[in-house]
Amino acid sequence: EAQVTQNPRYLITVTGKKLTVTCSQNMNHEYMSWYRQDPGLGLRQIYYSMNVEVTDKGDVPEGYKVSRKEKRNFPLILESPSPNQTSLYFCASSPDVGLARGEQYFGPGTRLTVT
Amino acid sequence: AQSVTQLDSQVPVFEEAPVELRCNYSSSVSVYLFWYVQYPNQGLQLLLKYLSGSTLVKGINGFEAEFNKSQTSFHLRKPSVHISDTAEYFCAVSYSGYSTLTFGKGTMLLVSP
Repeated sequence: EAQVTQNPRYLITVTGKKLTVTCSQNMNHEYMSWYRQDPGLGLRQIYYSMNVEVTDKGDVPEGYKVSRKEKRNFPLILESPSPNQTSLYFCASSPDVGLARGEQYFGPGTRLTVT
Repeated sequence: AQSVTQLDSQVPVFEEAPVELRCNYSSSVSVYLFWYVQYPNQGLQLLLKYLSGSTLVKGINGFEAEFNKSQTSFHLRKPSVHISDTAEYFCAVSYSGYSTLTFGKGTMLLVSP
């Protein structure tokens, strides 16, 4: 089944404890992206990647890191999480490198709470 | 800068009534428009998209949207809603030459019996 998977689905952690949220897609998509969703703010892009070893900042990259060593994986790293990073996170992928015309396929989401 | 405005944060409606969810975007020469739906506790899935051609676009689950370039709008409509349409709906825009998708803040559609 074609899908985007994220792990973990739920995570409660403490301020400053490094964490990684994994994202994997099995559709051979070039483009991958991370979003955070907050009530009243919609989805905001954190980082995106147009191909292996190519990443770029989205609208809200502060406090996050990403890497794209393999085409299928795009982990999101929080080196020192803070409470304002409590949010619902979505990974997405698209077959369209330029994205402009392409549909994005979303993962099920990761709900992160930082205390 | 790209921007999308969804004018209503919440739209309550009775089952079998028609509904329109409004979306306006910042003007550009070449624009691509999308509507996504998010059911409770799920990720987003594409409802429909406008890339070019006919301004009336039909999507899944009986939804349609009309691209209006002069008014920079892309409103979503359904002639008769079901309880199962209760979800949050997001309008999104991308522009030729850019690699990002900008989302609106979402409209919660609440369908009651």
